[in-house]
Amino acid sequence: DAGITQSPRHKVTETGTPVTLRCHQTENHRYMYWYRQDPGHGLRLIHYSYGVKDTDKGEVSDGYSVSRSKTEDFLLTLESATSSQTSVYFCAITGSGANYGYTFGSGTRLTVV
Amino acid sequence: GEDVEQSLFLSVREGDSSVINCTYTDSSSTYLYWYKQEPGAGLQLLTYIFSNMDMKQDQRLTVLLNKKDKHLSLRIADTQTGDSAIYFCAEITGGGNKLTFGTGTQLKVEL
Repeated sequence: DAGITQSPRHKVTETGTPVTLRCHQTENHRYMYWYRQDPGHGLRLIHYSYGVKDTDKGEVSDGYSVSRSKTEDFLLTLESATSSQTSVYFCAITGSGANYGYTFGSGTRLTVV
Repeated sequence: GEDVEQSLFLSVREGDSSVINCTYTDSSSTYLYWYKQEPGAGLQLLTYIFSNMDMKQDQRLTVLLNKKDKHLSLRIADTQTGDSAIYFCAEITGGGNKLTFGTGTQLKVEL
C-alpha cells in the first residue's frame, strides 16, 4: 500500500524469543495502529499511537509493547513470543483521527513454533 | 469491549446482488465503514457513511444505515468474481480515534 510498509512480511520464530515488527509510513500521519487478525475474530486492536512517544493500549495488548520515537516508525514488540501470538499483524495509519478511515499495510504473517 | 457482528459467509452467483449485513454497538459512532480484504492483502477502504445519512450509493455499492436498530448493510449490484473477498464493517469508537471492526464476511462468487 502506498505510503505504508510493514517488515518483515513473514517470520517464523521460536516460543520465548522476542520479536519486533516494524511499520513505516511516509505520509506524516499522526495516528498509527497495530491490529492482529485471527479467524473468527476479525481485527483486534493491540496498541495505537497518537504522536511521537504517545501510545495507548488496545483490547488485546497483553504480551505486546510498542514504541514510536519518530513520526514515521511504529514498532510492535512481542516480549516473549507464545504460540497464541501466531497471527497476521496489520499496521494502519490515519491523519486526523479515525473519521477519515485507515490506510492499511500489507501485513506481517508471524508463526510462533 | 464493543462487538460488531457480521455473518461469516455469503455465497452468490455471478451477476446477482450481494447483501452483507452488520450490527454495530456504539450509537455515538459518527462514521461507519466498509473495508474489503483480498487474499494475502491488507484491508482496502471501500466506502463509508456518515451517521446522519440513511443511504449512500457509489457505483455498484449501496450502503444502508438504520441507526435505530444499529444495522448497517452493503449491497453489491451485479456481483463479479473479482468481488470475492472478505468484507469488514467498522465503527468509530474511543472518542473518534479508533475503529472497531466486525468479524468479517467471506463473500464467494460462483459462476
